[in-house]
Amino acid sequence: DAKTTQPTSMDCAEGRAANLPCNHSTISGNEYVYWYRQIHSQGPQYIIHGLKNNETNEMASLIITEDRKSSTLILPHATLRDTAVYYCIVRVEGYSTLTFGKGTMLLVSP
Amino acid sequence: GAVVSQHPSRVICKSGTSVKIECRSLDFQATTMFWYRQFPKQSLMLMATSNEGSKATYEQGVEKDKFLINHASLTLSTLTVTSAHPEDSSFYICSASVTNYGYTFGSGTRLTVV
Repeated sequence: DAKTTQPTSMDCAEGRAANLPCNHSTISGNEYVYWYRQIHSQGPQYIIHGLKNNETNEMASLIITEDRKSSTLILPHATLRDTAVYYCIVRVEGYSTLTFGKGTMLLVSP
Repeated sequence: GAVVSQHPSRVICKSGTSVKIECRSLDFQATTMFWYRQFPKQSLMLMATSNEGSKATYEQGVEKDKFLINHASLTLSTLTVTSAHPEDSSFYICSASVTNYGYTFGSGTRLTVV
């Protein structure tokens, strides 16, 4: 699986959009970009994934650059409950395992 | 849908004893489950892949005789930490792969060995 690079930590004010970047410059054509988050002392939670088109669901939006070497997860209106570690993972769909990097610790403040 | 239930959420045991952690898929059948371990301020590390009806596949450096995995049915996988020691204290998380859904994770088990 391609390696990803994320900032160690980010801050966001409650109610504002949180934009979390991820670099995956060695991504292959058949690899998807997945985002998970882990709230303290809980199991990871799936957020969104995509191949090359931008994706949106009830939780977030995923913007993937045209060259697919980077992506941004957008939480449109961050709340205090969005404080968590966010993991960007690149993998081939259907492959068996998820490999977690260090992720980005997002702190949403009042 | 695609809920994984993990029990217990917390357990404290004495050094030298064994602890069993259960991971159940509640509304789907999981032919493959995964076990992760997470130490404080670190990321999740895959320990093993659990396949229903066959032996688990362990990652390099994980002792298979210490971390016994049983996946006897399509809805239950168990991890038993045998002869636990303080260095085994960690957060253990199970996961299952769900067709057309991705991966779903249990809520984790905080193991403290005293």
